[in-house]
Amino acid sequence: AQKVTQAQTEISVVEKEDVTLDCVYETRDTTYYLFWYKQPPSGELVFLIRRNSFDEQNEISGRYSWNFQKSTSSFNFTITASQVVDSAVYFCALSEARSAGANSKLTFGKGITLSVRP
Amino acid sequence: EAQVTQNPRYLITVTGKKLTVTCSQNMNHEYMSWYRQDPGLGLRQIYYSMNVEVTDKGDVPEGYKVSRKEKRNFPLILESPSPNQTSLYFCASSPTGGFVQETQYFGPGTRLLVL
Repeated sequence: AQKVTQAQTEISVVEKEDVTLDCVYETRDTTYYLFWYKQPPSGELVFLIRRNSFDEQNEISGRYSWNFQKSTSSFNFTITASQVVDSAVYFCALSEARSAGANSKLTFGKGITLSVRP
Repeated sequence: EAQVTQNPRYLITVTGKKLTVTCSQNMNHEYMSWYRQDPGLGLRQIYYSMNVEVTDKGDVPEGYKVSRKEKRNFPLILESPSPNQTSLYFCASSPTGGFVQETQYFGPGTRLLVL
């Protein structure tokens, strides 16, 4: 069975600090997908990134970067120079690729609440 | 604008009073799904649908029903709501399900309180 662990529950930083959100996953499949979603205080889920298991290249998007390491089953998310607007709950999620017609269920971690103080 | 919509956004009801939460997407997506979000548990899948008239249970289907009569709509039905169904509900859709895992796009969420 697939599982996603976000061991950090709450993180508080001061604006402009860098912060890393950890995500560790478990799966038996060799083909799978990893995601990060952001949930701001307004409640909606905002898609941030999708990464497949064959692509271990790190990705950078502005102040956001992701480090995918299959050797440690981790997909960590770093925010550089954090801002107050980054305050949100962040979810890491995993989906196993199956045959066509199979359930594309996302297995979510419990989420990390990030508070960025001015 | 491509989007997933849910209605209502907020709902307070009483135990046993049947309710329906609607979900609609305008992207011609085949795959749709319902999740519930509870504190400390993250999001868990309730039901999913691969296409019209094709639905199946997710991880926490008890107490819920769904239907998929049209491609764009995937309503969630609570025949006899109970307080343990108080939660934040999300509908999601993606172009297809299964082998090619596209990104799922989520609706804005429906906050349900069952008294």
